[in-house]
Amino acid sequence: TQLLEQSPQFLSIQEGENLTVYCNSSSVFSSLQWYRQEPGEGPVLLVTVVTGGEVKKLKRLTFQFGDARKDSSLHITAAQTGDTGLYLCAGVVRPGTASKLTFGTGTRLQVTL
Amino acid sequence: ETGVTQTPRHLVMGMTNKKSLKCEQHLGHNAMYWYKQSAKKPLELMFVYNFKEQTENNSVPSRFSPECPNSSHLFLHLHTLQPEDSALYLCASSQDAGETQYFGPGTRLLVL
Repeated sequence: TQLLEQSPQFLSIQEGENLTVYCNSSSVFSSLQWYRQEPGEGPVLLVTVVTGGEVKKLKRLTFQFGDARKDSSLHITAAQTGDTGLYLCAGVVRPGTASKLTFGTGTRLQVTL
Repeated sequence: ETGVTQTPRHLVMGMTNKKSLKCEQHLGHNAMYWYKQSAKKPLELMFVYNFKEQTENNSVPSRFSPECPNSSHLFLHLHTLQPEDSALYLCASSQDAGETQYFGPGTRLLVL
């Protein structure tokens, strides 16, 4: 069973601060996804990283896939209140097969003024 | 805005009740999923349907009974649930059972 541990579990910061969320596993994944889930809503896919060492940027969010494809990080620059939510990583074990997604434990981020 | 809708959004039921959750996707996808999201636990995949056929059942208790009459609709029939079944139930869809899934807003279920 593949397990994905996210850290920290909770993070409360002020607007304008930077933060990094980590997603770690002992298993290798073919790709890794990051989702954001806002209160009362389902998760929304932010990005998929596929290649070991890959870095993707989405405005103020920077996603990196580890060289060994076992871990990933999400860095947010100058956080805004709109970044508040639950961040989930999900590892894809077998390409093209959603049923083999393993979700992480989640990081709950709160950004205050 | 999502192409996956779920009803009801909130549900409170007793352990002897029978209720159903409904999911509808407007994205033209052919695969649909039920997930359970509990506090302090990772998202758990419950069932997978591909072209209306159930392709995966992750050891879900029989008090949860899925139904997929067509590729756009998915139901989860609930019967004699336990308090520990209280959770957010999420529906998702994808094309060709691919890993890019679109989630609905979920049904928040409370079992008393």
